[in-house]
Amino acid sequence: EPEVTQTPSHQVTQMGQEVILRCVPISNHLYFYWYRQILGQKVEFLVSFYNNEISEKSEIFDDQFSVERPDGSNFTLKIRSTKLEDSAMYFCASSKTGKLNTEAFFGQGTRLTVV
Amino acid sequence: SQQGEEDPQALSIQEGENATMNCSYKTSINNLQWYRQNSGRGLVHLILIRSNEREKHSGRLRVTLDTSKKSSSLLITASRAADTASYFCATDGNTGGFKTIFGAGTRLFVKA
Repeated sequence: EPEVTQTPSHQVTQMGQEVILRCVPISNHLYFYWYRQILGQKVEFLVSFYNNEISEKSEIFDDQFSVERPDGSNFTLKIRSTKLEDSAMYFCASSKTGKLNTEAFFGQGTRLTVV
Repeated sequence: SQQGEEDPQALSIQEGENATMNCSYKTSINNLQWYRQNSGRGLVHLILIRSNEREKHSGRLRVTLDTSKKSSSLLITASRAADTASYFCATDGNTGGFKTIFGAGTRLFVKA
């Protein structure tokens, strides 16, 4: 069964460093998303991406964040200068369409720890 | 406003018992979904119910939706120890479908 894969599963970085989280969405999907989950808290929407541009972003997704689809398969989330409060589980998701009632498939997540 | 608040926050039951989790939301929706998350793992989609549906079944799962009360319930019948996980409801918030809004989740513990 096709699945969304994320790498690495765990990333430890020093405060102020840049990190890139990688995702390979399901191959025939066109819409891509990043979510984050701070430990013990809700899963929060960060950004959605379609046709090589951001469709929607939340307040969390400030200038420190960027997304890119550098080739036909990868979808990346970059955090330019990490802060302690960026420590969280980051989930990538993809869906065939952006229409209502479309299921999004989630990856296993990347646990980011900023020290 | 917060969307998709689950209740109870935690639930502990014996294997074989049924587990019922509830979700309430505030704004109108087009669909509501339930997800499962094992500790420290990714999200697994369980079931999607549309706003014009009232009940849906999938294996041992039964989901109901009451749009007049803005609430949904997830029933897991004949629970197993492997059902131990956190369960989240998620809505589209009638925003056009690009994002999913999650609740804080119910932690279910099924004792063998």
